[in-house]
Amino acid sequence: DIQMTQSPSTLSASVGDRVTITCRASQSINNWLAWYQQKPGKAPKLLIYKASSLESGVPSRFSGSGSGTEFTLTISSLQPDDFTTYYCQQYYSYPWTFGQGTKVEIK
Amino acid sequence: EVQLVESGGGLVQPGGSLRVSCAASGFTFSSYWMSWVRQAPGKGLEWVANINQDGSEKYYVDSVKGRFTISRDNAKNSLYLQMNSLRAEDTAVYYCAREGLGNMGGAFDIWGQGTMVTVSS
Repeated sequence: DIQMTQSPSTLSASVGDRVTITCRASQSINNWLAWYQQKPGKAPKLLIYKASSLESGVPSRFSGSGSGTEFTLTISSLQPDDFTTYYCQQYYSYPWTFGQGTKVEIK
Repeated sequence: EVQLVESGGGLVQPGGSLRVSCAASGFTFSSYWMSWVRQAPGKGLEWVANINQDGSEKYYVDSVKGRFTISRDNAKNSLYLQMNSLRAEDTAVYYCAREGLGNMGGAFDIWGQGTMVTVSS
């Protein structure tokens, strides 16, 4: 199975900050990577697919980059609604696997 | 409106069985791969199983192989997960999720609200 490791597990930041979350795969997954945002008690929401493609309706402050085994999710200017948990997911080979999550909290 | 609505969760004893369902609306259900994803209380996301458009291909995570069966009824726009020999570690919110098309395939673009399955005596 492909292991997905996110860092950091928790990130403290302020409104307006630029933040970056990293996701590393245990082997190359080409660009078959997605990012999700999940708020407490809610289903995840797709933000980014194919490593860097922005899902329709997602604000442009979210962006994704990377290829192979290392990927990043960047939020260019944190908004109050963005303080929550983020997950990466590979869909290169079965079983699809997720990172353990990164919680973005208010500093 | 594109929507997925799960049902059928509940409390079941270890070793018991349960079937959860997902009703799809607002899109051509028969055109999409569909998945089940679960989340144990306070934990991360875990993909469980998926099924192709006509039900001829199915994949499972190792921890549920031989115990869980995914199926679909395109005439009813419904997805199912039959869970047998349930264990305490299967306790989770079970989400139904649509896999996107093309380059999005394998990424989940639509999610249901989830249904809670609790395995406990």
